[in-house]
Amino acid sequence: QKEVEQDPGPLSVPEGAIVSLNCTYSNSAFQYFMWYRQYSRKGPELLMYTYSSGNKEDGRFTAQVDKSSKYISLFIRDSQPSDSATYLCATYGNNRLAFGKGNQVVVIP
Amino acid sequence: DGGITQSPKYLFRKEGQNVTLSCEQNLNHDAMYWYRQDPGQGLRLIYYSQIVNDFQKGDIAEGYSVSREKKESFPLTVTSAQKNPTAFYLCASSINLGLVETQYFGPGTRLLVL
Repeated sequence: QKEVEQDPGPLSVPEGAIVSLNCTYSNSAFQYFMWYRQYSRKGPELLMYTYSSGNKEDGRFTAQVDKSSKYISLFIRDSQPSDSATYLCATYGNNRLAFGKGNQVVVIP
Repeated sequence: DGGITQSPKYLFRKEGQNVTLSCEQNLNHDAMYWYRQDPGQGLRLIYYSQIVNDFQKGDIAEGYSVSREKKESFPLTVTSAQKNPTAFYLCASSINLGLVETQYFGPGTRLLVL
């Protein structure tokens, strides 16, 4: 079983919509969860990280962790064309990061 | 400016040729990593190094080699034994935020086979 599962399907939304991205993880011992954003032909950049369960907000972005269901989510409010990118979830455990496959998000003006 | 640099941006490899990808960081990070990214596959760990003169294999180390002679540098060699080298290669370094390693990535090198 992979440590992190992320359905890699692309997602297209109109400008201003809410984007909702999800991942599941396998190891209940994982405590740290991250979201990276990757623009085309660039390296990933850390967007947010959270510890344990709960929500964390940063502007239009909200990261959510539900440890009971081993589910991590990223919400983007009032999406903008500049949010068009691939979003990768990651968990930290066993002294290394495990990444999901990424979701390509396209925000249509 | 602090950061991670990778060179070249594009690299072409001929059959049977070894090629080396450069990764340099001036962030004073101890740990460095190499990942391979293929479409629909996410990031897969090739090698990582927690300290100078020491490195460990990741999930897909076969056909690759690394060295870590300096803290700032972690070059990756793609050998002729790697039969499917075409991919986007990403180098990262990390700072330990208490109990978690937060990794920062370079801009990547795209390797193509001629």
